[in-house]
Amino acid sequence: DQQVKQNSPSLSVQEGRISILNCDYTNSMFDYFLWYKKYPAEGPTFLISISSIKDKNEDGRFTVFLNKSAKHLSLHIVPSQPGDSAVYFCAASRYSGNTPLVFGKGTRLSVIA
Amino acid sequence: KAGVTQTPRYLIKTRGQQVTLSCSPISGHRSVSWYQQTPGQGLQFLFEYFSETQRNKGNFPGRFSGRQFSNSRSEMNVSTLELGDSALYLCASSDTSGSSYEQYFGPGTRLTVT
Repeated sequence: DQQVKQNSPSLSVQEGRISILNCDYTNSMFDYFLWYKKYPAEGPTFLISISSIKDKNEDGRFTVFLNKSAKHLSLHIVPSQPGDSAVYFCAASRYSGNTPLVFGKGTRLSVIA
Repeated sequence: KAGVTQTPRYLIKTRGQQVTLSCSPISGHRSVSWYQQTPGQGLQFLFEYFSETQRNKGNFPGRFSGRQFSNSRSEMNVSTLELGDSALYLCASSDTSGSSYEQYFGPGTRLTVT
C-alpha cells in the first residue's frame, strides 16, 4: 500500500518555463511534507518543506502548495533551469511524532535548454 | 560542518555472504535513518536509530539489522545476501532537537550482489 504517490515518473520542461511536480498521499495523519532533489551518484538533498498549518511555502524559485482536502501537494519551479534536471522525491511524515519519512517513488525532471 | 559520510561507496558481494555498511552523521545529529533505493521503488525505510536505540523499523526481513554507537555513528548489516538486495543504501541524519525535521543524506553505498 503506497501512502505517498508520485504518478508521473518523468517530466520534460523547457528552460525558463514552469515545472510542476505532483504528489498525492493517502494517510490523513501526515502533517509534514518535504521535497528532496537527487542527482545521479549523490544522496537526496533537502529542497523545501511545508506543514499542514500552511497551504503554501516559498523559497526562491521553489514553491510548494498543499491541498489538505485533496491530500495533494505540488512543487512549482519557476523559472526552470537546466541544473534543475534531477529526480524529485516527495516525502511525508507526522511532525509531532517520531515517525519515519515515507517517500514517493520520484519524478525525473528534465529541463531542456 | 562536514556532511553525512558513508563507507564504502561501492561493494560487490556474492549471494549468501554478509555485508556491513557504515554511516557517520553530521556532527551533533543523534538520529540516523537507513533507506534502500531500488529502481522504480523509491526510498524504502529500513530503520532509524536515536541515541543508540532503534526507534523505528521498516518492513524488511530480519536479515537486515543495524546498530548505533555512542558517537552516533551507525552500521547496518545484511546477512545471507540475496540477488534482490542489490540496491543503493542511503543513510540520513537529522537533528531532532530542533523545530525542523529535515534529514540530510549521505552519498550512499551501491551494493551489487552476484
